[in-house]
This record gives sequence, C-alpha cells and structure tokens, in this order.
Amino acid sequence: AQKITQTQPGMFVQEKEAVTLDCTYDTSDPSYGLFWYKQPSSGEMIFLIYQGSYDQQNATEGRYSLNFQKARKSANLVISASQLGDSAMYFCAMRGHGSGNTGKLIFGQGTTLQVKP
Amino acid sequence: NAGVTQTPKFQVLKTGQSMTLQCAQDMNHNSMYWYRQDPGMGLRLIYYSASEGTTDKGEVPNGYNVSRLNKREFSLRLESAAPSQTSVYFCASSEYGTGRQPQHFGDGTRLSIL
Repeated sequence: AQKITQTQPGMFVQEKEAVTLDCTYDTSDPSYGLFWYKQPSSGEMIFLIYQGSYDQQNATEGRYSLNFQKARKSANLVISASQLGDSAMYFCAMRGHGSGNTGKLIFGQGTTLQVKP
Repeated sequence: NAGVTQTPKFQVLKTGQSMTLQCAQDMNHNSMYWYRQDPGMGLRLIYYSASEGTTDKGEVPNGYNVSRLNKREFSLRLESAAPSQTSVYFCASSEYGTGRQPQHFGDGTRLSIL
C-alpha cells in the first residue's frame, strides 16, 4: 500500500529565510511521481512542483525545490526566501505509475507554515 | 480560464437529506476525481473516473455515488446525508491518470450536515 507521511503539523519561518517541509513515502511501485500542493486560508489547492522517481535531477520551480532522496524515500520541499504569502497548508502527495494505477493521489496530512514578518 | 468549477460552494443539510455536488472541467481532461478533506487527515479519495464512461471506488466510498455525465462533468451524490459526511469536498481533473500532469482542483464545497 502507498503511504505519505508529513511529520511536521506546524512550522514557523522568518520572512526571507529558507524553510524545509518534510515528506516521506512508502510504495511498492517502481515508478511513481511526487507532488506538492499549497492550500492557502482561502481553501483552493495550488500545484507547486512535481518530481518523478526516475528524474535525474531534483525538481525546481522558482523559489520551490525538491530535496529528493530516493533511497531514503523522502521528498522534502524547500522554499527559499520565504514571503508572507507563503503562509499556508502544504500537502505532499504521491501517484503510482504502475499498471492498474489510475492517477489517484495519496495525500499526506499536511504541514501548516506560518511566515513571520 | 475557469478550470474546474464546483457548485455549490457552501451547503447545509439535515441528516437524511440528499444532494448532488456538481463538478465541471473545461480542460478536456480524461480523468476526474472526488476527494474529501477533514481536519488532520489530508485529502482522501472518494470516487474517481479514469475516463468517460468509467467510475471506480476510492478509499472512502461508503455513503456516496457518482455519475460521469460526459467528459466534462462528474457529479457526487449523497443519498442520505449523515453528520460524518460533514467535510470539504474537492473535485479534481487531470489529462490522464499517469505521467507528470498534476491534478487541477476546484475551489471546494463546504458541506455541513446537522
């Protein structure tokens, strides 16, 4: 069975500093993808970044990057130069790519990030 | 630029009432999904439709039914609402069920059952 674990219910970071949000996963699929979503207080789900299990390099998207350690089954999100607008709930999710998988995402419990001015 | 549209945004029901949550996407996506979000539990999959004409159960399907009306629309029905179904419901879509494409989410429906 697939499982995503986010062990940090809440995090604080000072504005302009970097912060790492942890995500560990468990799967038996040889091929899979990892996603991070942001959910601000307004409630919508915003896609941030994707990492494929066979990607040669760690994913980056602007101020977001993934610290992907396949052997440790971790895919931590790094936000550089935090901004007040980064205050939100962040979800890590996984999708298996094996036969029979139909695209459903398995989500972690989420981490609430608060950026202090 | 509508993306995924959910209606209604808010609803209050009494125990035993029925209702249908509507979802439509304008991105020509093949796959559509219904999730529920409860505090401290992330999002859990209720039902999904990998392609037009197919539907399958997810992690928490009890008490719900779905209809993939056409490629654009995927509705979620509560036949006899229960307080345990109080939650925020999200509809999502993606081009296919695999690959790098993310799922795109609607803004959610906040449902309270008294």
